[in-house]
Amino acid sequence: DQQVKQNSPSLSVQEGRISILNCDYTNSMFDYFLWYKKYPAEGPTFLISISSIKDKNEDGRFTVFLNKSAKHLSLHIVPSQPGDSAVYFCAASGGTDKLIFGTGTRLQVFP
Amino acid sequence: NAGVTQTPKFQVLKTGQSMTLQCAQDMNHNSMYWYRQDPGMGLRLIYYSASEGTTDKGEVPNGYNVSRLNKREFSLRLESAAPSQTSVYFCASSEGWGIQETQYFGPGTRLLVL
Repeated sequence: DQQVKQNSPSLSVQEGRISILNCDYTNSMFDYFLWYKKYPAEGPTFLISISSIKDKNEDGRFTVFLNKSAKHLSLHIVPSQPGDSAVYFCAASGGTDKLIFGTGTRLQVFP
Repeated sequence: NAGVTQTPKFQVLKTGQSMTLQCAQDMNHNSMYWYRQDPGMGLRLIYYSASEGTTDKGEVPNGYNVSRLNKREFSLRLESAAPSQTSVYFCASSEGWGIQETQYFGPGTRLLVL
């Protein structure tokens, strides 16, 4: 049973516009959420995180929003750049300190 | 500063063969992890080592063993490879153990079991 779900396998966005990547979770014990970015032939790299005591966290062009009642988080990238083209994984943790990853969304930013 | 390194990058095995995937980190991190990534499944934790001298099972440990050789190195062994173990394997490390510790990943080992 997938506890962290990324229902959109891919997303295509024009350069300069907003990219919105979505993630849903089922386990109400999760209280810490992260986004990782992965380029081909490389390992994932940490992008941004949010604790359940917050509903928003910003870091430059990247903002993560958390809606606890809906068990939903989203990553906004504004403005999108071609270098943002990658696979994005959301991950969640709570209780056991182990990360549970979603299946990933492939973002393509075109000129 | 190489971060997390993994060897080999790619390996083909026949069913029943054994092999060891090597991982090393030069960041003086205490915790290390092994994940596998399969299409449509995300990354799943196989084993982890919260600190030197300790190892514990993750979500999918069956068919694998690990050794935390020292603080730098954490190896993953497949004693008798099966086609179901075809996957991309990632090693990761973090400074400490805890949900807010950022994990740093290696480039991965792509394993094909025929």
